Amino acid sequence: EAQVTQNPRYLITVTGKKLTVTCSQNMNHEYMSWYRQDPGLGLRQIYYSMNVEVTDKGDVPEGYKVSRKEKRNFPLILESPSPNQTSLYFCASSQRAGRETQYFGPGTRLLVL
Amino acid sequence: GEDVEQSLFLSVREGDSSVINCTYTDSSSTYLYWYKQEPGAGLQLLTYIFSNMDMKQDQRLTVLLNKKDKHLSLRIADTQTGDSAIYFCAESILVAGSQGNLIFGKGTKLSVKP
Repeated sequence: EAQVTQNPRYLITVTGKKLTVTCSQNMNHEYMSWYRQDPGLGLRQIYYSMNVEVTDKGDVPEGYKVSRKEKRNFPLILESPSPNQTSLYFCASSQRAGRETQYFGPGTRLLVL
Repeated sequence: GEDVEQSLFLSVREGDSSVINCTYTDSSSTYLYWYKQEPGAGLQLLTYIFSNMDMKQDQRLTVLLNKKDKHLSLRIADTQTGDSAIYFCAESILVAGSQGNLIFGKGTKLSVKP
């Protein structure tokens, strides 16, 4: 089954404790992206990747890192999480950064205390 | 910068039509999308329209595009309680010469009353 998976689905952590949210897709997509969703703000893009080893900042990259060492995986890294990073995070992928539908993962709900 | 605006709430009665409106700013957008998010779930693509089209119909869904006014609407005919969700409008913007990144509106929460 074609899908985008994220882990964990729910996470409670404390300020400053490094964490990684994984994202994996099994569709051989080139383009992957991370969004955060906050009430009243909709979805905002954090980082995106056009292909392996090609990443770039979205609208709200501060406090986040990403890597794209393999085509299928695009982890989101919070080196020193802060409470303002409490949010619902979505990973998405599409065949190319072009006229392609983006497929979304189920979301990761993060609470930073 | 690019911006997508939509009203935050819409309430309709079951069986009525729902119309969700959206305005966007990037005139170079080639594709415009409607995504649906049910409670506790991710985003699901509902439909999309290419910018050289005025209308697209898909079963109960009708998308209208007014490119001159940069206005997009989604009409759901015979709205059902299962249509209750948040609906996001999104435009595709240029990335490295290709359409790629999506700019989302804040979402319209549709409530369907029995």
